[in-house]
Formats: sequence, C-alpha cells, structure tokens
Amino acid sequence: GENVEQHPSTLSVQEGDSAVIKCTYSDSASNYFPWYKQELGKRPQLIIDIRSNVGEKKDQRIAVTLNKTAKHFSLHITETQPEDSAVYFCAASIHNTDKLIFGTGTRLQVFP
Amino acid sequence: EAGVAQSPRYKIIEKRQSVAFWCNPISGHATLYWYQQILGQGPKLLIQFQNNGVVDDSQLPKDRFSAERLKGVDSTLKIQPAKLEDSAVYLCASSNTVSGNTIYFGEGSWLTVV
Repeated sequence: GENVEQHPSTLSVQEGDSAVIKCTYSDSASNYFPWYKQELGKRPQLIIDIRSNVGEKKDQRIAVTLNKTAKHFSLHITETQPEDSAVYFCAASIHNTDKLIFGTGTRLQVFP
Repeated sequence: EAGVAQSPRYKIIEKRQSVAFWCNPISGHATLYWYQQILGQGPKLLIQFQNNGVVDDSQLPKDRFSAERLKGVDSTLKIQPAKLEDSAVYLCASSNTVSGNTIYFGEGSWLTVV
C-alpha cells in the first residue's frame, strides 16, 4: 500500500542553524505534499505545502523542495529559533485525492 | 474564523466501555475527516465524509468503531467496546475546495483506555 517514510526521527540543532527533514513516498500519483507542525498537546498546523507541478516553494524561513522523479520531498528551516521546536509531519496525497498519508514525524529541538 | 471544534478534550475509560467524540468542522467545509494519532506516530485516517456521505471508511475498525454525519455538519465518532490499543488522540479535520483542499485539524480528543 501507499507509504511515506520520514527521517530523521529526532533532530537537535543550535539556534541559528538550519534544519532539514526528508520524506519519501511510494505513490507516483501523489500530487500534494503538506508539512504540519505539532507542538505538544496541540493540533497539527499546516506550515507549508507544495503541489506536484512545482519543484520548490519558500515562505520566509521555511522552504520545501520536491523531486518527483526520486519521489522525495524535504523541509528546510533556516535560522532556527527555539519556538521552532516541535514535531514536524510530512504527508502525501493518496493517488490524486484529498486523502493524506502521514510520515512518522520528526521531533526538532532547537537549543538556545 | 472559528476552527474545528472537538469535545471532550480528554477521556479516560475502562476497556470494554464505550465513548463518543463530537466534532464541529469549520463553517462551510463539506469534507470532514477523523484521524487516529497514536503516541509517537503520524495521524492515520479512519473515515472521510463528503457532506453527509461516507467517502472512505476502509481503515475504520467497523466491529467497534462507528461514525456519522447525519446533517452534513457535525460528526460523532463512537467506540464500543473500547480496547487498550484504542488509546490515542482522535483528530477531527475539515477541508473544502475553496481552501485548495487544505486540511485543518481540531485540537483532538485524548482517549486513555485502562
């Protein structure tokens, strides 16, 4: 069945450094790839997304890249801040529907 | 704009008991989802509604889980009888085509089965 793998499971960086989280997906028909940030006890919140007709998207300190050929996409956070500490989930649409399959999450810790 | 509302936020029950969770989606959102998030894992889709019809319930354990969205707005997810492995956060989410099918989550209902 469809699968999304996410690495690393934990990531610790110093404040100001960059953080990169990578995901691979199995369904070549997936066309929508959102990233969610989830703070402890809170709802997952969409932070950025990309569709299959675009290779890269940037929003201030956050960027996402997509390689359709290799079926992987990555989240890049630059100039990390302590408030970036959270669990980040990638997701991919199942076929070209609005259903999502999620990765297993990456716990990012940013140390001051 | 009000977000997705869920209740109760927390519930502790004994195994074999029943529990029900309620969700009110963002106004105007035709699509409603229930996801199960086990601690340390990503959300897993249980069921998807489009208005008051079920689009996908292939991952719903139908021997113990049921869900309805009778009037196409609010939804209820029920578990009966509960098992220990049902301990999880149950996330309701909604979307519509105007939002580009972006899925918005509620705060979740935390269930502990003891």
